[in-house]
Amino acid sequence: AQSVTQLDSHVSVSEGTPVLLRCNYSSSYSPSLFWYVQHPNKGLQLLLKYTSAATLVKGINGFEAEFKKSETSFHLTKPSAHMSDAAEYFCVVTFNDYKLSFGAGTTVTVRA
Amino acid sequence: GAVVSQHPSRVICKSGTSVKIECRSLDFQATTMFWYRQFPKKSLMLMATSNEGSKATYEQGVEKDKFLINHASLTLSTLTVTSAHPEDSSFYICSASQDSNYGYTFGSGTRLTVV
Repeated sequence: AQSVTQLDSHVSVSEGTPVLLRCNYSSSYSPSLFWYVQHPNKGLQLLLKYTSAATLVKGINGFEAEFKKSETSFHLTKPSAHMSDAAEYFCVVTFNDYKLSFGAGTTVTVRA
Repeated sequence: GAVVSQHPSRVICKSGTSVKIECRSLDFQATTMFWYRQFPKKSLMLMATSNEGSKATYEQGVEKDKFLINHASLTLSTLTVTSAHPEDSSFYICSASQDSNYGYTFGSGTRLTVV
């Protein structure tokens, strides 16, 4: 069975400092991995995805994530947080059956 | 890019009535659509998977007679919450997939409040 664990339920950073959101997955097969962002009362927006190409994936808004098979991780980073990055972030995994498994989410707050 | 339109964005209904939520893929044909429910400050829970022209596949614990899903065309899926009760109040989100290589595009969600 596939599953994904987001290690931090809440991350608070100061504006202009780096952001790190941690995600680990469990899998018997090669997964596809995604990071989505959700602003309050909104749908989900895709930040980036990994589908067995380059292990370092660059996404929108300055975010990137690195797939590390040996660590079964797919952590999301951004070098410098902006106030508009305050939102809920979901790490998501699928194994080609079209069903997505969501992590519990990480709430990011950005301090001025 | 791919766009999924979900309507309405917000609806308030009385207990016992039915509510229909629409999910449309605007610029691509969606062979598969998904319906999720999201509780406050929680992750998304997959309710069902629908494929155009066939019956939806419901996840365990989801009442198929309560949450009717129709996927009549490659661009439209609907979720009808029948005989709604206050406990059905939630945020419902759809997503559509052309195929797994293209990823999954989400609608903007529907806030349902049953009074």
